[in-house]
Amino acid sequence: NAGVTQTPKFQVLKTGQSMTLQCAQDMNHEYMSWYRQDPGMGLRLIHYSVGAGITDQGEVPNGYNVSRSTTEDFPLRLLSAAPSQTSVYFCASRGQAEAFFGQGTRLTVV
Amino acid sequence: QKEVEQDPGPLSVPEGAIVSLNCTYSNSAFQYFMWYRQYSRKGPELLMYTYSSGNKEDGRFTAQVDKSSKYISLFIRDSQPSDSATYLCAMNKGAGGGSNYKLTFGKGTLLTVNP
Repeated sequence: NAGVTQTPKFQVLKTGQSMTLQCAQDMNHEYMSWYRQDPGMGLRLIHYSVGAGITDQGEVPNGYNVSRSTTEDFPLRLLSAAPSQTSVYFCASRGQAEAFFGQGTRLTVV
Repeated sequence: QKEVEQDPGPLSVPEGAIVSLNCTYSNSAFQYFMWYRQYSRKGPELLMYTYSSGNKEDGRFTAQVDKSSKYISLFIRDSQPSDSATYLCAMNKGAGGGSNYKLTFGKGTLLTVNP
């Protein structure tokens, strides 16, 4: 049972480039979310989804897009990368109340 | 006032010590309480999950929730060097969707257990 799988694990982007962070879960969970984790800031919610076709914004949505076409997949798109988006990104899939996290994508924007 | 407060530490203890980690919160609507362990450069891993007030034990770990005081704790008995990690508390209002979905996290406490 793989749980939550994120790709890539590491990425370096130039300012202005776009990219998609992939997230897949095999637990048949309805709820999925994206967080970023920065030193001293804790985990901050970017976007979340309560099921296929339904997404909503979290605390820090600017500069990011999401879509949810299947239960399993919840990709996060950076539209035009900025140095402020340098962070570690975590995807989470939620069971009854608790969330299970992927191993993270470490993104550097130069 | 932040919804969830957690002392960031760092906390350093000798091997075998009893460790107490704590969070306070302000929103009385929180019903589900979780503790996550995060090793360096890894994703948070669910450690304990409790509903409403009371205690829950799992091996060397005990989670305690006092809703009247809006205070949750995680106790680690016989601490080991392998327990060295950041511990995050998290909570939410319910198992349903919509606004109940959002998990609110503490910022984490960095624990080091010295051999």
